[in-house]
Amino acid sequence: EAQVTQNPRYLITVTGKKLTVTCSQNMNHEYMSWYRQDPGLGLRQIYYSMNVEVTDKGDVPEGYKVSRKEKRNFPLILESPSPNQTSLYFCASSLTWGRGGGYTFGSGTRLTVV
Amino acid sequence: QQQVKQSPQSLIVQKGGISIINCAYENTAFDYFPWYQQFPGKGPALLIAIRPDVSEKKEGRFTISFNKSAKQFSLHIMDSQPGDSATYFCAAVYSGTYKYIFGTGTRLKVLA
Repeated sequence: EAQVTQNPRYLITVTGKKLTVTCSQNMNHEYMSWYRQDPGLGLRQIYYSMNVEVTDKGDVPEGYKVSRKEKRNFPLILESPSPNQTSLYFCASSLTWGRGGGYTFGSGTRLTVV
Repeated sequence: QQQVKQSPQSLIVQKGGISIINCAYENTAFDYFPWYQQFPGKGPALLIAIRPDVSEKKEGRFTISFNKSAKQFSLHIMDSQPGDSATYFCAAVYSGTYKYIFGTGTRLKVLA
């Protein structure tokens, strides 16, 4: 089944404790992206990657890191999480960054930082 | 210039009625306008999309109407069903860089 898999689904952590949220897609998609979803703010892009070893900042990159060493994987790293990073996170992928197809989203990771 | 304004925030419709969600954008460089549907506990899923060279696109009970001059587009759900209850996001995309700008979402509830 074609899908984007995120892990974990739920995570509670303490301020300052480094964490990684994994994302993997099995569709050979070139483009991958991370979003956070907050009430009243919709979906905001954190980072994106147009291909292996090519990443760039989205609209809200502060406090996050990413890497794209393989085409299928795009982990999101929070080096020193803070309470304002409590949110619902989605990984998404797309075949290309062209005009068609849209995103395939993962099921989300609900992160709570205390 | 990068905003997409979506309204209403929430919507309650009777079964069989028409649900209408509106979005407005500012940047004329956007050239792809998708709608996503999100059920609780799930990621958004692409529902329907339109490009600015057409004024309307219909897929089953879902229709996008696009008004290029007004920089507005809307989602119409005909014969709304309780299974349509979800959050809907519009987006405007600049395909040159695949820059997505999402609206803030509309929570739709269809009463049985």
